[in-house]
Amino acid sequence: DTAVSQTPKYLVTQMGNDKSIKCEQNLGHDTMYWYKQDSKKFLKIMFSYNNKELIINETVPNRFSPKSPDKAHLNLHINSLELGDSAVYFCASSQDVMSNQPQHFGDGTRLSIL
Amino acid sequence: KQEVTQIPAALSVPEGENLVLNCSFTDSAIYNLQWFRQDPGKGLTSLLLIQSSQREQTSGRLNASLDKSSGRSTLYIAASQPGDSATYLCAVNNFNKFYFGSGTKLNVKP
Repeated sequence: DTAVSQTPKYLVTQMGNDKSIKCEQNLGHDTMYWYKQDSKKFLKIMFSYNNKELIINETVPNRFSPKSPDKAHLNLHINSLELGDSAVYFCASSQDVMSNQPQHFGDGTRLSIL
Repeated sequence: KQEVTQIPAALSVPEGENLVLNCSFTDSAIYNLQWFRQDPGKGLTSLLLIQSSQREQTSGRLNASLDKSSGRSTLYIAASQPGDSATYLCAVNNFNKFYFGSGTKLNVKP
């Protein structure tokens, strides 16, 4: 009964390829997020969606395109992958935008670019 | 822009010791602050969330305090156990913009 699940867990691919990461939450939350954790373990928010609407886009290259088909899903598509995209990507959710309830995180997708 | 700093970066203590992890932030106009634990190869697990109007929160052996005016939060862990070994992250919510510290890696030795 995983609350926030991401697939795949590992993704190894060549530079220049296009790939997608999927995220689903079964908590009934309205808000979902994508974070990037670099090799120094810094977590930075990339996107936030509330009820399928984009509310945060933090200076992320437009090669990254999030898609939210419904409020339980937030997928991340990456075009023309570059070496610098290698990182762990975390999906998270929270009850709503201005919530004093905690965020719940998935286990991450480790993306390695060859 | 909000900056979040955690000190120390790493900490190694013998089992049973009480310890304090520190988090400081530059912009005091926060909505809440959250402490997380991250185990290797895993996502983040929320430990405690302190609202901006609160001074502290407690859960079991954990106590988190918040001094918004001075831009500081501490996480106190009582009677540490080897199972507490993990990286601890604090995250500041600036009205739906979240800023994370780089974490404190804790090792509790049996």
